Amino acid sequence: KNQVEQSPQSLIILEGKNCTLQCNYTVSPFSNLRWYKQDTGRGPVSLTIMTFSENTKSNGRYTATLDADTKQSSLHITASQLSDSASYICVVSRYTGTASKLTFGTGTRLQVTL
Amino acid sequence: GAGVSQSPSNKVTEKGKDVELRCDPISGHTALYWYRQSLGQGLEFLIYFQGNSAPDKSGLPSDRFSAERTGGSVSTLTIQRTQQEDSAVYLCASTPVAGGELFFGEGSRLTVL
Repeated sequence: KNQVEQSPQSLIILEGKNCTLQCNYTVSPFSNLRWYKQDTGRGPVSLTIMTFSENTKSNGRYTATLDADTKQSSLHITASQLSDSASYICVVSRYTGTASKLTFGTGTRLQVTL
Repeated sequence: GAGVSQSPSNKVTEKGKDVELRCDPISGHTALYWYRQSLGQGLEFLIYFQGNSAPDKSGLPSDRFSAERTGGSVSTLTIQRTQQEDSAVYLCASTPVAGGELFFGEGSRLTVL
């Protein structure tokens, strides 16, 4: 079964601290893995997209890693800011030969506090 | 417009009424998705349009749900005889190519009383 599991479900950290969010997947055949940020009441916004051959990708203070062998990805946030408070969603894409199918994780809710 | 536009942003309706939700994708984007997000839940796939191909309706939860995309641009999601469990945020996303980066709208929050 194609699944995406994220951990932790929620996380509270102090402003300025770093954190790492995890994503494990069983989606096959793998096409790419995406991380999205979703602010409360808003639509998700893309942070990174990684293909099979990419191990790491950065977008400002966000760095995503991918281990396609173990089917794991992480999103590392450096020097967190209050504006990082949001849900972070891991999405894995598979290509069926005729269409691209996306499987969404349920997200990690991050709260950055003073 | 510059982004994906959805309307209405909020809709409150009575059980049993029909509702229509509209999505205006980014100009030139060939693929369009509808998702549903219930409170505290992940995104649930509903339907996918790609160019002139037959839509993938495999995610529609019941025959009360339908969607169309006219002229390869604007899409309308229709929910007939709404039920309380239909209450959720309905998100639309478009992408320039199949499998490409998704650009989401801000969603339509539906509340069924």
